Amino acid sequence: AQSVTQLGSHVSVSEGALVLLRCNYSSSVPPYLFWYVQYPNQGLQLLLKYTTGATLVKGINGFEAEFKKSETSFHLTKPSAHMSDAAEYFCAVSTGSNYKLTFGKGTLLTVNP
Amino acid sequence: DAGITQSPRHKVTETGTPVTLRCHQTENHRYMYWYRQDPGHGLRLIHYSYGVKDTDKGEVSDGYSVSRSKTEDFLLTLESATSSQTSVYFCAISEWTSAFEQYFGPGTRLTVT
Repeated sequence: AQSVTQLGSHVSVSEGALVLLRCNYSSSVPPYLFWYVQYPNQGLQLLLKYTTGATLVKGINGFEAEFKKSETSFHLTKPSAHMSDAAEYFCAVSTGSNYKLTFGKGTLLTVNP
Repeated sequence: DAGITQSPRHKVTETGTPVTLRCHQTENHRYMYWYRQDPGHGLRLIHYSYGVKDTDKGEVSDGYSVSRSKTEDFLLTLESATSSQTSVYFCAISEWTSAFEQYFGPGTRLTVT
């Protein structure tokens, strides 16, 4: 079984500040991990993913995430927030043999001018 | 962008009427999924398909049925719509060659009055 916990349903940052969105997972086998972004009235778009190899993963729009097995975490970061980053972000987990993703409940990111 | 369309994009229907939502893909992906998205619940899997005529239930399948008669189309039917099925419905596709990363459609906003 696998599960995802996103800490904080709402995160608010100032423009130019660090963005940190937290995701912890549970999986009995090595996980595949994903971050998706959803802009208002749109579908989900993949930001980045971790499958194997390098634990620091870079995605689109300047976001990156680090897979930390010892902490069962896959936190999403961006050094400097932009107004256009305001959206809802979802963390998801799967395994190599499981074609179903388990999603967290999402974190709404607000960026203040 | 992955070639996924959903129709209709918006629908208002009355309680007790049947409703069918369509998901169409041009990517020839084997796996297809239907989710519903509601505030506070994130994405919840309704049904999924792992091939033509091969479907299975997700975590919130009661009141829904699906069919997949060809690779490109996955239909979701609400047999007798209820107000609790008012939601935004998303279709997604995936393939093992991309670690089952899911690509999402634009969504259908369904209101049951």
